[in-house]
Amino acid sequence: SQQGEEDPQALSIQEGENATMNCSYKTSINNLQWYRQNSGRGLVHLILIRSNEREKHSGRLRVTLDTSKKSSSLLITASRAADTASYFCATAVGSSGGYNKLIFGAGTRLAVHP
Amino acid sequence: KAGVTQTPRYLIKTRGQQVTLSCSPISGHRSVSWYQQTPGQGLQFLFEYFSETQRNKGNFPGRFSGRQFSNSRSEMNVSTLELGDSALYLCASSLGRDSGNTIYFGEGSWLTVV
Repeated sequence: SQQGEEDPQALSIQEGENATMNCSYKTSINNLQWYRQNSGRGLVHLILIRSNEREKHSGRLRVTLDTSKKSSSLLITASRAADTASYFCATAVGSSGGYNKLIFGAGTRLAVHP
Repeated sequence: KAGVTQTPRYLIKTRGQQVTLSCSPISGHRSVSWYQQTPGQGLQFLFEYFSETQRNKGNFPGRFSGRQFSNSRSEMNVSTLELGDSALYLCASSLGRDSGNTIYFGEGSWLTVV
């Protein structure tokens, strides 16, 4: 079963615009990680945010976490055609070693048009 | 530093056969986990190994098994293949020690069962 839901399922924007993807989850978490997947490829790690953090930045990426609402968002600023991919949030919910059991959402398909 | 390496990248098997997939984690990583990705079920956790011991297990039948060697390399095996086992199998590695460890994925092994 999947822990989270991503919203929207698909997003189509023009180059230079910002893209915001949201993720909601159901149970308490240790951390939340965002990944990107190009068609048919593996997952590329973007950002990890711990449960006691509220916001993290990495280049053009900004992730927020609201544990009271059990939700996270990923913002990509000044998007490029190369950002076209599927984006997944994944939560680690276990303890004593369960940190490495990730539960994924269904993903958001982002299309950035030149 | 080399990333997570998976072999083979693509393979085709016949229903009823078995398959073994291999994963070499990032140097120094002791946790290796496996995921199955299908269009219908999304990304699902199979199992995780840490220091040669299975530490976490997902909800898959016993036909799916794995092991980890003393050098942290891991293999997963699927016996008596079914058509529904066709999927992208992803291996991931991390230091595995605490909730702040980033989990890195390989490019995956595409399995087609005919």
